[in-house]
Amino acid sequence: EDKVVQSPLSLVVHEGDTVTLNCSYEVTNFRSLLWYKQEKKAPTFLFMLTSSGIEKKSGRLSSILDKKELFSILNITATQTGDSAVYLCAVKDLIKAAGNKLTFGGGTRVLVKP
Amino acid sequence: DVKVTQSSRYLVKRTGEKVFLECVQDMDHENMFWYRQDPGLGLRLIYFSYDVKMKEKGDIPEGYSVSREKKERFSLILESASTNQTSMYLCASSSTSGRGNEQFFGPGTRLTVL
Repeated sequence: EDKVVQSPLSLVVHEGDTVTLNCSYEVTNFRSLLWYKQEKKAPTFLFMLTSSGIEKKSGRLSSILDKKELFSILNITATQTGDSAVYLCAVKDLIKAAGNKLTFGGGTRVLVKP
Repeated sequence: DVKVTQSSRYLVKRTGEKVFLECVQDMDHENMFWYRQDPGLGLRLIYFSYDVKMKEKGDIPEGYSVSREKKERFSLILESASTNQTSMYLCASSSTSGRGNEQFFGPGTRLTVL
């Protein structure tokens, strides 16, 4: 059974701090790993990672995948209060690709204080 | 922009009632999903569908059924609601082609069963 574990469960930082979120996974036939940000409503897509060692970057957010050690990290630099959200990690199994099924982790709740 | 809408943002039902949650997407996506989200447990897949009239059980299908009579609409049915089905329900859709791994989410329905 595919498994995704995120850590920490939650954290509180101050504006300007850097945050590192972790996602480890066990997938029989890995295809891709996705990061989502969820504020009050629907999760919104951030990144999709398929290859080890290639950093994806979008503004102050970046993410990298290590397929050997089976984990990914999401970094947020110079945090702002608008970064407060739950960050979700999900993986896609190649074999169970029918319907693009994803397995989600439990999420990390980030609170950025002014 | 992809739009996924859900019929209600908040719903309160009584134990034993039959509950229908509706989801509609406007991007002609083949795949649609129903998740429930509970604190600490992340998103757990209830059912998904990769084509009209096709459905597959997810990780926690017990107590739920689904219907996909039209491509744009995916309904989740609670035949006899129970208090342990109080949760946030999220619908999502994705395309099989292109950037097919990304799922687009609706705003969620917070269901309370009394």
